[in-house]
Amino acid sequence: SQQGEEDPQALSIQEGENATMNCSYKTSINNLQWYRQNSGRGLVHLILIRSNEREKHSGRLRVTLDTSKKSSSLLITASRAADTASYFCATDFTGANSKLTFGKGITLSVRP
Amino acid sequence: EADIYQTPRYLVIGTGKKITLECSQTMGHDKMYWYQQDPGMELHLIHYSYGVNSTEKGDLSSESTVSRIRTEHFPLTLESARPSHTSQYLCASSESGRAVSQPQHFGDGTRLSIL
Repeated sequence: SQQGEEDPQALSIQEGENATMNCSYKTSINNLQWYRQNSGRGLVHLILIRSNEREKHSGRLRVTLDTSKKSSSLLITASRAADTASYFCATDFTGANSKLTFGKGITLSVRP
Repeated sequence: EADIYQTPRYLVIGTGKKITLECSQTMGHDKMYWYQQDPGMELHLIHYSYGVNSTEKGDLSSESTVSRIRTEHFPLTLESARPSHTSQYLCASSESGRAVSQPQHFGDGTRLSIL
């Protein structure tokens, strides 16, 4: 399968701690995107990182991309209870005609 | 919040019924997508469209069909619902004009249960 694989599958942390989530993939990509999904809702786009970029920031989010290792990480700093959600990485594989392939997601629980 | 709407949010219906799930967006996006997602699982692309009168099947085989007669509207139809169609269906849209993917905007989904 070409889909990204997230790690860990589930993560439980205390409010104020940092949360790090990882995504690995198998073939070359144009870009990689991270999404959040709250229970019972659709996905919300968080950040897009292109294959020629190594790091991007957006508020409390930091995403890195290592194309040599075919992996990406999402760091949420100073987590809040409202960050509790599932997080998905989605990859735009080269030659996929701009379709996205989603991983299985990481369930993040932030305890107040 | 993105301006993409799905109706109904929940649907419980009997086997054999014809179902249409509605999806509309007001952003003028050319690209639209339908995904199927079982609880706690990944999204599977079942249909996509890159413009009016353009539809393609996705990576996951589906008995559903779609149409794209207007830019803003991308309905999904099941001619004869079966229990195996029970799932959540998510609609999304994105900007076009580039060779690589752009961020997708999602609706809140339709949770479909076939009895």
